[in-house]
Amino acid sequence: KAGVTQTPRYLIKTRGQQVTLSCSPISGHRSVSWYQQTPGQGLQFLFEYFSETQRNKGNFPGRFSGRQFSNSRSEMNVSTLELGDSALYLCASSLAGADEQFFGPGTRLTVL
Amino acid sequence: AQSVTQLGSHVSVSEGALVLLRCNYSSSVPPYLFWYVQYPNQGLQLLLKYTTGATLVKGINGFEAEFKKSETSFHLTKPSAHMSDAAEYFCAVGVSGGYQKVTFGTGTKLQVIP
Repeated sequence: KAGVTQTPRYLIKTRGQQVTLSCSPISGHRSVSWYQQTPGQGLQFLFEYFSETQRNKGNFPGRFSGRQFSNSRSEMNVSTLELGDSALYLCASSLAGADEQFFGPGTRLTVL
Repeated sequence: AQSVTQLGSHVSVSEGALVLLRCNYSSSVPPYLFWYVQYPNQGLQLLLKYTTGATLVKGINGFEAEFKKSETSFHLTKPSAHMSDAAEYFCAVGVSGGYQKVTFGTGTKLQVIP
């Protein structure tokens, strides 16, 4: 069974631009969560989607948004990028109502 | 509300020595507890988890953890460290209820000295 895939793996943007990251969960997984990982703040929960609905949201500004498609694939978007948005963005999937999350390799975003 | 505290952002052990990574949690409801490992430039991989039942949980790569409710702890141990264990370890707490709500600790980087 294929694991969680994230594209692209690396991304370089400049301040003010916007970016879209993609996550394909493990087949059969309907829950997708997004996390931001930085050296200073550690792993911070962004949001979780289940069956195309956002069920949970972390404490991030509205510049961070996401969506989930009917095939459970998810995208997250960050608008008006700031230097502080530079981070590793991790996607994790799990079965509906399950507890164990499976993580993708992440997208390394650098904002210049 | 739930939270996780990992004591020690960096831990160094000699190869062959005991590994002990500390984790304390806070949760208003019975928790699910996890340990994940992250190697450089990779995502997180589940080492082990506690949901209900036996409080001593065995995971992959020889790691185990014991859920101690009275101490609100879930420390990770391995009897003998191997060079390949050098990585960052994250403790996490979650709750059941049909949706994901997992809070991660700040991580502990394990260094193994030959």
